[in-house]
Amino acid sequence: QQPVQSPQAVILREGEDAVINCSSSKALYSVHWYRQKHGEAPVFLMILLKGGEQKGHEKISASFNEKKQQSSLYLTASQLSYSGTYFCGTESPIVRNTPLVFGKGTRLSVIA
Amino acid sequence: GAGVSQSPSNKVTEKGKDVELRCDPISGHTALYWYRQSLGQGLEFLIYFQGNSAPDKSGLPSDRFSAERTGGSVSTLTIQRTQQEDSAVYLCASSPRGGLAGEQYFGPGTRLTVT
Repeated sequence: QQPVQSPQAVILREGEDAVINCSSSKALYSVHWYRQKHGEAPVFLMILLKGGEQKGHEKISASFNEKKQQSSLYLTASQLSYSGTYFCGTESPIVRNTPLVFGKGTRLSVIA
Repeated sequence: GAGVSQSPSNKVTEKGKDVELRCDPISGHTALYWYRQSLGQGLEFLIYFQGNSAPDKSGLPSDRFSAERTGGSVSTLTIQRTQQEDSAVYLCASSPRGGLAGEQYFGPGTRLTVT
C-alpha cells in the first residue's frame, strides 16, 4: 500500500520552515526519508525505526507516530540547497524483509 | 569509495527491441534493488535481490521484464520487446543490509527512451 505524502508541492523563501507528512493506511515498522535533487539520484536522509522516534539531519528532523501510522519531516530555516523532491518509504511490520514502498514525493522549492 | 554505478546513462531504442541495463553496486552490499521512475512520479519498485535468496520479483510489471544478479554483485535488468510506456529512468540501489530497514544508496540511473 503506497503511503500518501502531503503536500504534493510547496514553495518556501529562504529561512522559512516546512513540514512534509507521510501517512499510511497500514501499520508501519519503519519510515525512511530520501531527497532527490533535480536530475540526480535520491539520497538517504534518515530512518525512523520506533514509534515516537525523532531524528535530525542538519536542520532537517523527523518524527514517527506509530499509532497514527504517519511520519513528518520538518525543515527548519530552509536553505536553497534543500530544494528537491522528498520521498518517504515505508516498511510494514507484518510483511518483513520486503522492499520499501515509496510515496509519490513532495516537491520542495526554496527561493531567495 | 566508489558508489553505485549504472550503464548506459542514456539509452534510446526502437519499440520492439530488447534492452539490457547494468548496475554495479557498492562492494560488499548484500542487497540490490531496481526501481523505475517516470517523469514527475515516485519510485516504483521492480525487483529486489538479497544475498543468495530468491529475488523478490513482485514489482515487475510484466513478463517482458527480468533481472539477474551474478556472483552477488553486478545486476542486469532486461526488458524484452520494449514498449513506449517503458520509457522512464531506471534506478538501481544497493544496501549493506537487506530487508531490515537498510539505507539505500542509489546509482545515477539509466534514462530509457523507447521511440
